[in-house]
Parts: sequence; structure tokens; C-alpha cells
Amino acid sequence: AQTVTQSQPEMSVQEAETVTLSCTYDTSESDYYLFWYKQPPSRQMILVIRQEAYKQQNATENRFSVNFQKAAKSFSLKISDSQLGDAAMYFCAYRKDNNDMRFGAGTRLTVKP
Amino acid sequence: EAQVTQNPRYLITVTGKKLTVTCSQNMNHEYMSWYRQDPGLGLRQIYYSMNVEVTDKGDVPEGYKVSRKEKRNFPLILESPSPNQTSLYFCASSHRRGDIYGYTFGSGTRLTVV
Repeated sequence: AQTVTQSQPEMSVQEAETVTLSCTYDTSESDYYLFWYKQPPSRQMILVIRQEAYKQQNATENRFSVNFQKAAKSFSLKISDSQLGDAAMYFCAYRKDNNDMRFGAGTRLTVKP
Repeated sequence: EAQVTQNPRYLITVTGKKLTVTCSQNMNHEYMSWYRQDPGLGLRQIYYSMNVEVTDKGDVPEGYKVSRKEKRNFPLILESPSPNQTSLYFCASSHRRGDIYGYTFGSGTRLTVV
């Protein structure tokens, strides 16, 4: 089964600075999808960004961008100009066509004012 | 508004007392799934359903039951809850199992079994 590893249980960043959250995954597939979800204290799971494995270009959504390294099976999330509202648990997830989503253990991000 | 509705949001119960967590979606999604979230383990899948009357086990199905009698509803049933089922539960749905747009999640149910 595919596994997703987030090696940083906790991270902190100063407000307005940039932080990168790491994610690696294990798969023998060539075509799949990767996601980052944000879970604020409200517990709601919010999709931040997604990446199709067949696309070489890294996905970006405003202040959020990814560094997708397919050969290395790495999918890191970069948050630029961090804001207090970015404080949350972040989950990396993997999904293959017609299969269920698999999640990492999560990284708790603290933003210091 | 397109959403997945889970109830209750919080639940405290005693060991062995049957309970049901409800999940309903208004997006006509075929695929629905239940996850539990535990510290250090992320989200793990309990059961999923590809369509009405079609359900299957996920990674951690022991102690849980589900049913899919209607497309919109996918309740999670704990026949005899135990303290190790204390967790945060999420229901999720999508158009199909491999939907590239990811899931729509419910707001979660915090269950405590004493």
C-alpha cells in the first residue's frame, strides 16, 4: 500500500516569513494526485493545493506553492508571507485513480506574531 | 450550499452503548468514506462506499459498521464502543473513488468513550 510520510510533527514560523513543510510518499505508480489539506482549530479539512503527477509544473495558489520532485517522491508545501491564520495542522495526501486517499501523520504549524 | 453534514459534533458515551454517527451529503456524490484521526497517525480509513448498497472495508474497520441505503446518507455505527475508539471522525465524499479534486469533508465528530 502507498504510504505518506511527514517527518516534521511540528514547525513554527515568524509572521511574514516563509516556511516549507515536507512530505514524501512511496508508490510504484506513475500517474497519481497529491494534495495538501489544512486543518485549523475548527477541525474543518480545507483543501489548500493539489498536484497531478503528470504535470511537471509546480502548482501554486496565492501564497501557497509546492515543490514536486517526482523522481525523489517528494511533495513539499511552501507558505510565503505567513499569516496568523495559517496556523493549523497540515496533512499531505496521495491518491491514485480509483483508489482511496492516503494521508500523512500531519505537521502542526505555529505562526509567531 | 454544497456540503457534507455530520452529527453530532461532540459525543461522550460509555463502553458498550451502541451509537450512530450520521453523515449526509447534498452533492449527489457516489463515493463516501469514513476516516478516524488520531495524533501521530493522521487520517485512517474505516469504511468506504462506492454507491448505494456497495460498501467495503478500509484499513481499520474492526468495531465499526456502515450502511448505504440511500445515496446521500452513510452512517457509521459502533455496536459496542470501547475506549480505543475514542477519536476524531470524519465523513468525506466525492463524485468517484479516484476523483482528482479530492474529497469534501464533514466538520468532524469528536467521540469519547469512557
